[in-house]
Amino acid sequence: EVQLVESGGGLVQPGRSMKLSCAASGFTFNNYDMAWVCQAPKKGLEWVATISYDGSSTYYRDSVKGRFTISRDNAKSTLYLQMDSLRSEDTATYYCARRDWESYFDYWGQGVMVTVSS
Amino acid sequence: DVQMTQSPSNLAASPGESVSINCKASKSISKYLAWYQQKPGKANKLLIYSGSTLQSGTPSRFSGSGSGTDFTLTIRNLEPEDFGLYYCQQHNEYPPTFGAGTKLELK
Repeated sequence: EVQLVESGGGLVQPGRSMKLSCAASGFTFNNYDMAWVCQAPKKGLEWVATISYDGSSTYYRDSVKGRFTISRDNAKSTLYLQMDSLRSEDTATYYCARRDWESYFDYWGQGVMVTVSS
Repeated sequence: DVQMTQSPSNLAASPGESVSINCKASKSISKYLAWYQQKPGKANKLLIYSGSTLQSGTPSRFSGSGSGTDFTLTIRNLEPEDFGLYYCQQHNEYPPTFGAGTKLELK
C-alpha cells in the first residue's frame, strides 16, 4: 500500500525558515517524480514544486522560486521542502504527492499545516 | 499559466441522484484533465485522469468526458460516501493548475 506521511509543520514567524519532510513507503521511491501541493485555509489546491525521480531536475511555482527548495533522499525514501523567508501568504496545508509520468498526482499524503504568523 | 474554471462551486443532491461538475480550461489541454476527491481527514484521491480514464479503484458510477477546453465529471447514483470536495487539474503543461473546487453536499 502506498503511504506518504508528512511532518515538520507548525507555527513560524514571518521571515523564518521551516523544513517539511515526507516519508514514502509501499512503492519504489526512486522510480517516481514527487511534488508538493499546498492549500491555503478555505482555498483550493495549488502546485508548489516538483522534483524528478533522481533529483536532477526541480520545478517551482513563481511565488516560491528562490525561497523554497525541494529535495529528496532516495536512500531514505524521503521528500523534503525547505521553506525560507516565509511570508504570511505561505500559510497553508502542504501535501506531498506522487507524480505520475503523465503529470497528474496519483497518491497524496494527508498534509501538514504551516502557519506563518508573528 | 492555464486557468481552470470549475462550476458550480456548490452543488446539493440526494443519494441515488446523478450530478455533473464542469471544468473549463483557458486554452486547449487536449485530453489531459484529472479529477480528485477531497474529504476531511483523508488523503486526496485521484478519481480520473486523461479526461476519462478511471484510476484503479474508482467506482464505475464516476465518469469523465471532454477534450480541448471543456470537461465534465459525472457521478451517477450518488452514494453517501461521494459527498465532499472535487477538484479538476490540467496535466498537459507546466505549471499544473487546479480548478477552485466544487463542494458536493447532501440535500
